[in-house]
Parts: sequence; structure tokens; C-alpha cells
Amino acid sequence: EPEVTQTPSHQVTQMGQEVILRCVPISNHLYFYWYRQILGQKVEFLVSFYNNEISEKSEIFDDQFSVERPDGSNFTLKIRSTKLEDSAMYFCASRETSGITDTQYFGPGTRLTVL
Amino acid sequence: RKEVEQDPGPFNVPEGATVAFNCTYSNSASQSFFWYRQDCRKEPKLLMSVYSSGNEDGRFTAQLNRASQYISLLIRDSKLSDSATYLCVVNGRIKAAGNKLTFGGGTRVLVKP
Repeated sequence: EPEVTQTPSHQVTQMGQEVILRCVPISNHLYFYWYRQILGQKVEFLVSFYNNEISEKSEIFDDQFSVERPDGSNFTLKIRSTKLEDSAMYFCASRETSGITDTQYFGPGTRLTVL
Repeated sequence: RKEVEQDPGPFNVPEGATVAFNCTYSNSASQSFFWYRQDCRKEPKLLMSVYSSGNEDGRFTAQLNRASQYISLLIRDSKLSDSATYLCVVNGRIKAAGNKLTFGGGTRVLVKP
């Protein structure tokens, strides 16, 4: 069964450093998402991406964040200058469209730890 | 009012018993609804979509009440492997490019022998 993959599974970085989180969505999906989950809290939407541009973003997704689809398979989230509060699980998701409801499938996540 | 609200639990359930819990959502324009399951420190996995007519998938039954803006999940004949956090998830728009999911905080279920 096709699945979303993410690398790395765990990233440790120093505050102020740049990090790039990578995702490979399911191959025939067209819509891509990043969510995050701070430990003990709910999953929060960050950004959605379609047709090579951002279609929606949350208040969390400020100028420090960017997304890119550099080639036909990868989808990346970049945090330019990490803060302690960026420590969280980051989940990539991709979406199929199947008529009545649209289902998003999640990757296994990248645990980001900012020291 | 939170966009999607759930009782955090935990619901302690004897193996073989039935457990049910609800979630409420605030946006009356919400179009599609889901239950996801999340195991500790893992990704959310789709359990089932929730349709207006209600739907069943094996031991799991989901109901939607649009008038009262709540969704329910019922688990029959609970197994130890059903122990997880169940996330109520709402999508405001269908077929829009954004289509973001809004998550509840989750209901923790612990099935015990």
C-alpha cells in the first residue's frame, strides 16, 4: 500500500539554526500539507500546497517557515531560524480526492528538538 | 469555544465491552468529518470517515448529528489493540485547494484485560 514517507525521523538542532524536513507524498496525490503536534497538545495545521503554490497557511506559519516542492516527488518544510518553541512532531500529509470526502494520509512524522 | 472539542478521557474499558464518546464542532459550515486514531508518538491514521447517514466499519460505528454539531464513535467488543487516542477531525471545505483539517485534542481509550 502506498504511503507518505518523511525524513529524518528525528532532528536535533541548535536554536537559530535552519532545518529542512523532507516528505515524499503518495505518488498520485496532488495536495500536500504540513501539520505539527507539540508534545501533549493537539495536531495543528501549518500549510497546504497545491499546484506549486501555498493555498492556505495558519498563523503559526510565519516568515520563518517556507515550503517547496523542488522536484516531482519531494515536499519540504524549511524553518529558517529555529526557536525553542518549534520543538514538535511535524507531520506531512497528502490528499486523495475521491468524490464525497477527501482523505488525508499522514507520514510517520519528524520529531524536531530545538536546544 | 474550541473549534473541535473532545473529552480527553481516559476511558478505561474492559476487554469485550462497548465504549462510546462524542466530539462537538463549532463551525456549522463544516463539510466532512473523520475519526483518526493516534498511537503514542505516532502519526494520525484514518479510522473512518463519518457520513450524514452514519456508517459502520466492523466493530466501529460513527454517527453525525449536524443539528447539534456533534460526531460520535462507538467501539463494540473492545480489543486490547483498540487502546489509543481517537482524534475527531473536521474539514471545512470539500474540493477547495486549502482543505485543512481541524483536530480535536483526542479521547484516550485504554482497554484492559
